Amino acid sequence: EDQVTQSPEALRLQEGESSSLNCSYTVSGLRGLFWYRQDPGKGPEFLFTLYSAGEEKEKERLKATLTKKESFLHITAPKPEDSATYLCAVRGNTDKLIFGTGTRLQVFP
Amino acid sequence: DAGITQSPRHKVTETGTPVTLRCHQTENHRYMYWYRQDPGHGLRLIHYSYGVKDTDKGEVSDGYSVSRSKTEDFLLTLESATSSQTSVYFCAIRGDTSYEQYFGPGTRLTVT
Repeated sequence: EDQVTQSPEALRLQEGESSSLNCSYTVSGLRGLFWYRQDPGKGPEFLFTLYSAGEEKEKERLKATLTKKESFLHITAPKPEDSATYLCAVRGNTDKLIFGTGTRLQVFP
Repeated sequence: DAGITQSPRHKVTETGTPVTLRCHQTENHRYMYWYRQDPGHGLRLIHYSYGVKDTDKGEVSDGYSVSRSKTEDFLLTLESATSSQTSVYFCAIRGDTSYEQYFGPGTRLTVT
């Protein structure tokens, strides 16, 4: 059964304090790992797609990496506006995304 | 932003009443999805569509039906709402050439 586990559930950072969020997965035939950002009361916003181990994608202070069993979302020198819930999802052999429960990130000034 | 709207944005209804949620897109995408989001659970797929009149079930489809008579509209119906269907419902779309899905703003449904 395809499964996604995200850790930690919640993370509090001081502004400028870099850290990483983890997404561990088991899936039959990975055909994409996706990162989303979700602000309270809004729909998830697409960030990155990773397809193969070793791949990396960057956007501003965010960098996503992928291995055969997990993905990391690295946040460098975060700002308060980076506060959100970050969701990870995988796509296997079916056209369905399996989502984790997310990491709620709070960045304090 | 992807051209996706959902209506209504908020709804309160009573147990046993029928409810229809609408998802409208302006992107002319073939694939559309309905999810629900609940505390402690990830987004869970209810139903999806891969074309007009072509739909299939997701992992939590019991108690829900869908219809798609036009490319731009995907309707989710709760035939007889129950309190367990209190949730936030999201619609998503994707194009033919990529697998990332783009989400609408959501509908918060409360069944009393």
